[in-house]
Amino acid sequence: QVQLQESGPGLVKPSQTLSLTCTVSGDSISSGTYYWSWVRQPAGKGLEWIGHIYASGSTNYSPSLNSRVTISVETSKNQFSLKLSSVTAADTAVYYCARDTHYYDSGGWVNWFDPWGQGTLVTVSS
Amino acid sequence: QSVLTQPPSASGTPGQRVTISCSGSSSNIGSNTVNWYQHLPGTAPKLLIYSNNQRPSGVPDRFSGSKSGTSASLAISGLQSEDEADYYCAAWDDSLNGYVFGTGTKVTVL
Repeated sequence: QVQLQESGPGLVKPSQTLSLTCTVSGDSISSGTYYWSWVRQPAGKGLEWIGHIYASGSTNYSPSLNSRVTISVETSKNQFSLKLSSVTAADTAVYYCARDTHYYDSGGWVNWFDPWGQGTLVTVSS
Repeated sequence: QSVLTQPPSASGTPGQRVTISCSGSSSNIGSNTVNWYQHLPGTAPKLLIYSNNQRPSGVPDRFSGSKSGTSASLAISGLQSEDEADYYCAAWDDSLNGYVFGTGTKVTVL
């Protein structure tokens, strides 16, 4: 059974960098079968994709966050991480990591998230 | 702001059929496959439908998905109280080169 678990500080000061780690069990990031994504949900709002990474280190980021986001992978620890710089109160959200099936076929891009971590609340406040 | 538009709410009585629409464009739904997620507050989102109309193992066949052109829909037949949740459509967007979620629909069982 594949499980993902987010970890990191629950409180970050404005203008600082938010850092989270997702630890994967039951699957190997280095197998290269999947991408690995970060998604967030601000309170009272919808889901927002942040970006994803492949085992090789190749990444795609949401255009709206691209200038502030870095996703990295540490295959030896079976973990991938999120860094979001220059945070403001608008970055307060529940952050989820997820395994990301992502490939192209005749019908276009095929892309879904399953499973997801339980999520971790990050509050940006001084 | 999301590029996939859903109605903010939908409701029905137990046993009824509820349909949720998801409107996109040629760069997302029109070009790529659509997924649906069920999200209960305080829990991890759950994949409900992938590749337009496929159900993962364990998802009841009361849930079905379809896609036509630049729109998609999720149908819940035989509505049950445990179906009360938020539902999101999602797809890859070629113009944004990223994954986009719908605005979300809150389903209420009356």
